[in-house]
Amino acid sequence: DAGVIQSPRHEVTEMGQEVTLRCKPISGHNSLFWYRQTMMRGLELLIYFNNNVPIDDSGMPEDRFSAKMPNASFSTLKIQPSEPRDSAVYFCASSLAWASGSSYEQYFGPGTRLTVT
Amino acid sequence: GENVEQHPSTLSVQEGDSAVIKCTYSDSASNYFPWYKQELGKRPQLIIDIRSNVGEKKDQRIAVTLNKTAKHFSLHITETQPEDSAVYFCAASKSASGGSYIPTFGRGTSLIVHP
Repeated sequence: DAGVIQSPRHEVTEMGQEVTLRCKPISGHNSLFWYRQTMMRGLELLIYFNNNVPIDDSGMPEDRFSAKMPNASFSTLKIQPSEPRDSAVYFCASSLAWASGSSYEQYFGPGTRLTVT
Repeated sequence: GENVEQHPSTLSVQEGDSAVIKCTYSDSASNYFPWYKQELGKRPQLIIDIRSNVGEKKDQRIAVTLNKTAKHFSLHITETQPEDSAVYFCAASKSASGGSYIPTFGRGTSLIVHP
């Protein structure tokens, strides 16, 4: 398996522009997580999905952030409009939640380094 | 919600020495504690984990201990090597809707191993 795939790996955009980050989880995994990592705030959970359904988006910082998971193999995180303080590394991670148990390890993608000027 | 404190923020050791990183958590419902290693510019990767029904777990040079009563857990690395240099994150997790474990991460410890 290729692991969790994220694109783009780097994104530089101007303030006010829309940014879309993409994630392909590991095949067969049914939980997907979006994280943001900054020096100031560390690794923050933004939102997670289970079986393509958003379960908890309490970590999404503002209405400018939105996430979707239209199918089991694809998710997007969108920022519209983007601001300089959104500059960070955004990680997607996936795991397998069992119906009769609980999942454990999260597998992280390589991340998208976003710079908003 | 859960609050995870991690110390120290930076740890510098000589090759061959041991390194210990400590974390505390606040939510007694947390019952799964993973540790992730993140090398510079790379993704976090799980190196060891422990469940709340176990007090200690070891894997070669790394070990983790858990004290549920005191709500703290620690990572121990023995015989450190330069390739152990990285940022280490602890996390406290509890099960959530759908069966996933949702982690709250500590702020990380930058471990530097000097040759």
